[in-house]
Amino acid sequence: GAGVSQSPRYKVAKRGQDVALRCDPISGHVSLFWYQQALGQGPEFLTYFQNEAQLDKSGLPSDRFFAERPEGSVSTLKIQRTQQEDSAVYLCASSSRGLATTQYFGPGTRLLVL
Amino acid sequence: DQQVKQNSPSLSVQEGRISILNCDYTNSMFDYFLWYKKYPAEGPTFLISISSIKDKNEDGRFTVFLNKSAKHLSLHIVPSQPGDSAVYFCAASGTGNQFYFGTGTSLTVIP
Repeated sequence: GAGVSQSPRYKVAKRGQDVALRCDPISGHVSLFWYQQALGQGPEFLTYFQNEAQLDKSGLPSDRFFAERPEGSVSTLKIQRTQQEDSAVYLCASSSRGLATTQYFGPGTRLLVL
Repeated sequence: DQQVKQNSPSLSVQEGRISILNCDYTNSMFDYFLWYKKYPAEGPTFLISISSIKDKNEDGRFTVFLNKSAKHLSLHIVPSQPGDSAVYFCAASGTGNQFYFGTGTSLTVIP
């Protein structure tokens, strides 16, 4: 079956623009995670959904970051008024259950803020 | 505050030899550990996992060892193949929802 897909794969934004990044998890996966990966670093947790409920958003770096998963499948990560420090790869992962289960990653969206 | 550390940014190994990638963690509450492999322009791919009730898990050429007292885990690849060349991340989780990732080790297997 299809894996996790993300779109767009690449996004260039001018500082101050809003961006929306999409994630399509593996069909039937209950849990969905967003990560931010800066250059030369490992992925860092942003937020976690179980179905449509956002159970943990402790990793979101500021109130400019907002994520939603209204129907418990596709998720969107929105970044308002982008800043240069938001430049990173944004990874989405899904898993069939919640805690401590293997997460399957999408290819990521590479965001460059100029 | 890096809770999972991979102190070797890169490693080169001859084809057919053993590759050993190391990972240290600081949080004694971590009880589930994974290794991911990442090729350029792709997302991380799950490789192998281990829970804290075990000290070894093997899957084909890949074996993960966990030393809880030392808060250390390692990934052994034997024999190493050129297709194993990639960046390897270790990750750990505890009672929360988060997985904490290391900064990765870039493995190059020389034919």
